[in-house]
Amino acid sequence: LAKTTQPISMDSYEGQEVNITCSHNNIATNDYITWYQQFPSQGPRFIIQGYKTKVTNEVASLFIPADRKSSTLSLPRVSLSDTAVYYCLVGELMKTSYDKVIFGPGTSLSVIP
Amino acid sequence: SAVISQKPSRDICQRGTSLTIQCQVDSQVTMMFWYRQQPGQSLTLIATANQGSEATYESGFVIDKFPISRPNLTFSTLTVSNMSPEDSSIYLCSVVDRVDEGYTFGSGTRLTVV
Repeated sequence: LAKTTQPISMDSYEGQEVNITCSHNNIATNDYITWYQQFPSQGPRFIIQGYKTKVTNEVASLFIPADRKSSTLSLPRVSLSDTAVYYCLVGELMKTSYDKVIFGPGTSLSVIP
Repeated sequence: SAVISQKPSRDICQRGTSLTIQCQVDSQVTMMFWYRQQPGQSLTLIATANQGSEATYESGFVIDKFPISRPNLTFSTLTVSNMSPEDSSIYLCSVVDRVDEGYTFGSGTRLTVV
């Protein structure tokens, strides 16, 4: 099973770009990389998912190098409402679900005014 | 994405008693997942529930302690049995509606055992 390593915490000022890197050295060929955001007293929320290179949506960008042993979640111009825990997951994408998915410890991001 | 309603949102229970948590999804899904999140910790998968078959439990979790029902494609329950203070956690159900949208989670049940 592909385990992930992330920084435990990060601080950032409002308006800055935040990059959170996740290491997954033993990622398997069929594994996808998915990032979630969790606010206190809520369940995690899907942010972005990718397999290789770069993926961008209205919320974030995901950068995955060619060896796929790490990935970087990029949050542009963060605001106070982006203060949350961010989880990097690696797992095999099935037809209707995922397999062999483990939630890592997550990165607690604090955005400072 | 699917919308999940989880009940109760929180409860305080006496040790030795049991609590059943309900998870209702607004669409039919093949698998439903139950997670536990201990205070300040990440999420740990308890079991995967398929409709019409026994739930599959992860290492460290057993059916006698966490019995699960899955009577149809939109509903599941998780029971936390014979509770002790160590069971105080947030319990979350989740589904995969579309694999390109990842897991959708309920808002969780915050359980405190006293």
